[in-house]
Amino acid sequence: AQSVAQPEDQVNVAEGNPLTVKCTYSVSGNPYLFWYVQYPNRGLQFLLKYITGDNLVKGSYGFEAEFNKSQTSFHLKKPSALVSDSALYFCAVRDESGGSYIPTFGRGTSLIVHP
Amino acid sequence: GAGVSQSPSNKVTEKGKDVELRCDPISGHTALYWYRQSLGQGLEFLIYFQGNSAPDKSGLPSDRFSAERTGGSVSTLTIQRTQQEDSAVYLCASSLGVTGGTGELFFGEGSRLTVL
Repeated sequence: AQSVAQPEDQVNVAEGNPLTVKCTYSVSGNPYLFWYVQYPNRGLQFLLKYITGDNLVKGSYGFEAEFNKSQTSFHLKKPSALVSDSALYFCAVRDESGGSYIPTFGRGTSLIVHP
Repeated sequence: GAGVSQSPSNKVTEKGKDVELRCDPISGHTALYWYRQSLGQGLEFLIYFQGNSAPDKSGLPSDRFSAERTGGSVSTLTIQRTQQEDSAVYLCASSLGVTGGTGELFFGEGSRLTVL
């Protein structure tokens, strides 16, 4: 079984400050981890993924995420937030060893960046 | 087309009516997914198609829901005898699936269904 948790429904941050959106996961084998962003009335857009290799993954729009196996976490980060980053963010996990190509998504975290 | 296309973008129907939602995936993508997004509920997996294999229907919430994928491309999600709890945004996504890539999904903009 695979699952993912996003413990915060909403994150508020001031423009220019660093931001973190948290994600923890559970899988039986090795995880494939993903972050997606959803702007209002739009579909989800892929931001970045961890498959293997370096624990720090860089993605679109200046976002990065750090894979931490011991803490089973994959938090999304950005050094300096922009108002335009305000959106809904989803973490997703897929168990690489399970043979399933169906990712499980978290409930989403609403990021609000204040001017 | 360049991306995943879904239609209609908005659908309002009366309780008890049947609805069909269409998805046209990215050309060459063998995997196709349907998810449902309800307010505050995240994304709920519905069904998964991979090439010509039998679909994984494990997420369909009831036998009122069905989906097909013709010719390995376009997919239609059908909801029979709609209920108010079916109101949600239905998202379609495609990916390279088992033929390549490492699994990121490409989503359409969704079909918003409102059942009155």
